[in-house]
Amino acid sequence: GAVVSQHPSRVICKSGTSVKIECRSLDFQATTMFWYRQFPKKSLMLMATSNEGSKATYEQGVEKDKFLINHASLTLSTLTVTSAHPEDSSFYICSANMASGIASIEQFFGPGTRLTVL
Amino acid sequence: SQKIEQNSEALNIQEGKTATLTCNYTNYSPAYLQWYRQDPGRGPVFLLLIRENEKEKRKERLKVTFDTTLKQSLFHITASQPADSATYLCALAGDSGYALNFGKGTSLLVTP
Repeated sequence: GAVVSQHPSRVICKSGTSVKIECRSLDFQATTMFWYRQFPKKSLMLMATSNEGSKATYEQGVEKDKFLINHASLTLSTLTVTSAHPEDSSFYICSANMASGIASIEQFFGPGTRLTVL
Repeated sequence: SQKIEQNSEALNIQEGKTATLTCNYTNYSPAYLQWYRQDPGRGPVFLLLIRENEKEKRKERLKVTFDTTLKQSLFHITASQPADSATYLCALAGDSGYALNFGKGTSLLVTP
């Protein structure tokens, strides 16, 4: 159980276009989802915390107008990279924790989305 | 500022030996600490969680210790196998709740 999927797994786009990445919890409800970014040989950096039905909370230095997050349901959060530039090329990973209880500490990670902006 | 440091970027060991990875942290008062495994091009996979009142936790060939005085966790893989080769990440929850902050990871290579 506790599977998180991401779509697409890879995307290549032209500079200036927007890209949407979906994160789904397949067999559980997630009140909170998290978006991370990972550059080569670097650690995961938290970008934002997404709560179902409310606005996302962004980490310092992350532009909320550039990285639009929507958490429309308990099983889906989307990250849209608007007007993408080559420096946005990275590995984007989402995670989710369960709605309540002790299991809410453990986060379940998606397989990641490799974004390449040309 | 808060820091999570995994001292070794890379660790090479021979199959069958015990791998020991270190995680040190500063300016955290964690209620728990987590270890994850990450394979290239994949998301992290949860391995173990240890709470502040637990000194040691085991799961099959894995063992984690947690010393809140030293602000350190050690992660051991006994009887290591080539399939254990991966990057291992130490993670702590930040002040804002369950969101995790990660160390840079230690890349473990187990050779036959």
